[in-house]
Amino acid sequence: EVQLVESGGGLVQPGRSLRLSCAASGFTFSDYSMNWVRQAPGKGLEWVSYIGSSSSTIYYADSVKGRFTISRDNAKNSLYLQMNSLRDEDTAVYYCARQGVAFDIWGQGTMVTVSS
Amino acid sequence: SYELTQSLSVSVALGQTARITCGGNNIGSKNVYWYQQKPGQAPVLVIYRDTKRPSGIPERFSGSNSGNTATLTISRAQAGDEADYYCQVWDSSTVVFGGGTKLTVL
Repeated sequence: EVQLVESGGGLVQPGRSLRLSCAASGFTFSDYSMNWVRQAPGKGLEWVSYIGSSSSTIYYADSVKGRFTISRDNAKNSLYLQMNSLRDEDTAVYYCARQGVAFDIWGQGTMVTVSS
Repeated sequence: SYELTQSLSVSVALGQTARITCGGNNIGSKNVYWYQQKPGQAPVLVIYRDTKRPSGIPERFSGSNSGNTATLTISRAQAGDEADYYCQVWDSSTVVFGGGTKLTVL
């Protein structure tokens, strides 16, 4: 079964850091680009970051540029999002999504709450 | 930056046709993707590259894209189609989502 499973979310104080992980299974992870997408409570989808299959191409949304770092380990079939200098407005469910013909496979999401 | 505009809500009678629009400057020149999201669940891709349906998506779902408007059409609407629907495009090196449309099936 093709699957993405996020982990690493939780409650964190403003200004602190958190690292999210996304474990892929059921497909050849190294063949696909990947993305992080977030959704604040009661709000719409917001794209966060993209990484190419070999990590040679990386993009970020302006809202996280300079604070978040996307990375991947193809040997471990894993995607990561290092989030530094967290703000209240980063509170959201964070989804990893496979870039096939579109965002064709999504994980179930992990909740990040930034609050003092 | 590029913006996509969606109506906040659309209502459709059971068995009728719902049309959800996504507006953007010359959106017809871009590939548009549509996602369905039910409460508490991750989004699901329902249309890609304007008109194509992934396997497992009913033929009742169709898409079109021209000029400044892309449209997701849901024929013979069912109660199970109630959800939020998001359009999405790539603009240069960024991904843009519309604000989402809540579909209510009456």
